[in-house]
Amino acid sequence: GAVVSQHPSRVICKSGTSVKIECRSLDFQATTMFWYRQFPKKSLMLMATSNEGSKATYEQGVEKDKFLINHASLTLSTLTVTSAHPEDSSFYICSAGGRERGTDTQYFGPGTRLTVL
Amino acid sequence: GQQLNQSPQSMFIQEGEDVSMNCTSSSIFNTWLWYKQDPGEGPVLLIALYKAGELTSNGRLTAQFGITRKDSFLNISASIPSDVGIYFCAGQLIGGNKLVFGAGTILRVKS
Repeated sequence: GAVVSQHPSRVICKSGTSVKIECRSLDFQATTMFWYRQFPKKSLMLMATSNEGSKATYEQGVEKDKFLINHASLTLSTLTVTSAHPEDSSFYICSAGGRERGTDTQYFGPGTRLTVL
Repeated sequence: GQQLNQSPQSMFIQEGEDVSMNCTSSSIFNTWLWYKQDPGEGPVLLIALYKAGELTSNGRLTAQFGITRKDSFLNISASIPSDVGIYFCAGQLIGGNKLVFGAGTILRVKS
């Protein structure tokens, strides 16, 4: 399987600050990366699809000005939570699309635990 | 939106027992994926299925892509304590690249 990393793994910040999370595909070029949010004991909720060199596509109900996504290269996508508030505290997970047998398979990063005080 | 019905919601089994979980949907999927997630970690891909009827094994795990393309099951044989975790099914709709996730099956193993 492919290797996807995320940084940082854990971040605590004050309310009103912005936090940037990086997602890297280490051993393959990912034209598409996905950002998910997961609440405790819940399934993954897709926030946005990030395409290299173009604007991200956000899911309904996700504020694009709040969650800024940049996919500057085939191996790096970043999610910036702007003016974070306690309700933004969550587990954020990225995935990278890897093409196997001509079909995309998503490989997930280890996640970033965000706590906003 | 699209939904996958995953069952059971949770299982508490004795070490050595076999486990079976499944996902169904009213939609047709191009790909079925099974992931395992440990606490505080990202999901890890266990098995990927690309063709209707496909039966694939990965060690003690076996998964099948339903012939109707609307369902899939995952079996774990001879469970061990490290099988504990949350198992998610995920389907990729035809013509799309997004995944639709099941709600997860929490597996606990009693040794």
